[in-house]
Amino acid sequence: GAGVSQSPSNKVTEKGKDVELRCDPISGHTALYWYRQSLGQGLEFLIYFQGNSAPDKSGLPSDRFSAERTGGSVSTLTIQRTQQEDSAVYLCASSAPGQGKYEQYFGPGTRLTVT
Amino acid sequence: QKEVEQDPGPLSVPEGAIVSLNCTYSNSAFQYFMWYRQYSRKGPELLMYTYSSGNKEDGRFTAQVDKSSKYISLFIRDSQPSDSATYLCAMSDRGSTLGRLYFGRGTQLTVWP
Repeated sequence: GAGVSQSPSNKVTEKGKDVELRCDPISGHTALYWYRQSLGQGLEFLIYFQGNSAPDKSGLPSDRFSAERTGGSVSTLTIQRTQQEDSAVYLCASSAPGQGKYEQYFGPGTRLTVT
Repeated sequence: QKEVEQDPGPLSVPEGAIVSLNCTYSNSAFQYFMWYRQYSRKGPELLMYTYSSGNKEDGRFTAQVDKSSKYISLFIRDSQPSDSATYLCAMSDRGSTLGRLYFGRGTQLTVWP
C-alpha cells in the first residue's frame, strides 16, 4: 500500500518568510510524528499527534514552529519567519498503535533551505 | 550528554564481512529499541524492532539489547554493497503508544565490492 508522503520534496525560501510543509500519513494510522534532521545529526523530535488527544509539542524549538492535523489525517508543519538555522530535512512518520503496531514509518522528507 | 550515543563512523568494510553497529543510552526507562536504515536523500526505513533485552534475528540482521549495560547492537552478516547506508538506532520509553523516539546520530556504512 501507499506509504507516508510529504510535500514539497524540496523548498528554498528566503530568511523571514513563512513556510508550510505537508504530510499524508499511511491510511488508518492514528499517530503522526514530525522530526527534523540537520546535517550530520540524528533525528530531533518536534511534535506528536495521537488520535483526538492533545498533541505532544514538547520538541518544538520555538514559537515560530506550529503544526496541525486536520480530520485525523493530513498534517501541516508551519515555520514562521524562517531563520537559516531552520535549514534541515523535515521528516514525518506515522504508526498504528490502536492496531498494536507501534513501529513508526517515515516519509521521504522535505529538504528546507533558508537563504 | 545525549540520551542516545552512536559513533557516526564512517565504517568501511569489504563485501561479505560481518558488521557490528552499536549504541549506548542513559535512560533506563527505554524499553523499545529499533534500527533504521537510511539511504542518501531518503527517509529512514525500519529494519528491526525489539522489546526489552534479548536477541532478534531477521535474515542477515541480528539485533541485540543488553538493558543491564544500556547497550544495543545490530549485526549484519555477509554484508553486501546494497547495505551501504546510514544506520540509526532509536528507542522509546512509552508503554502503549511509544510516542516520540530518541535517535542516535547514525553510523555511515560503506560496503565495497
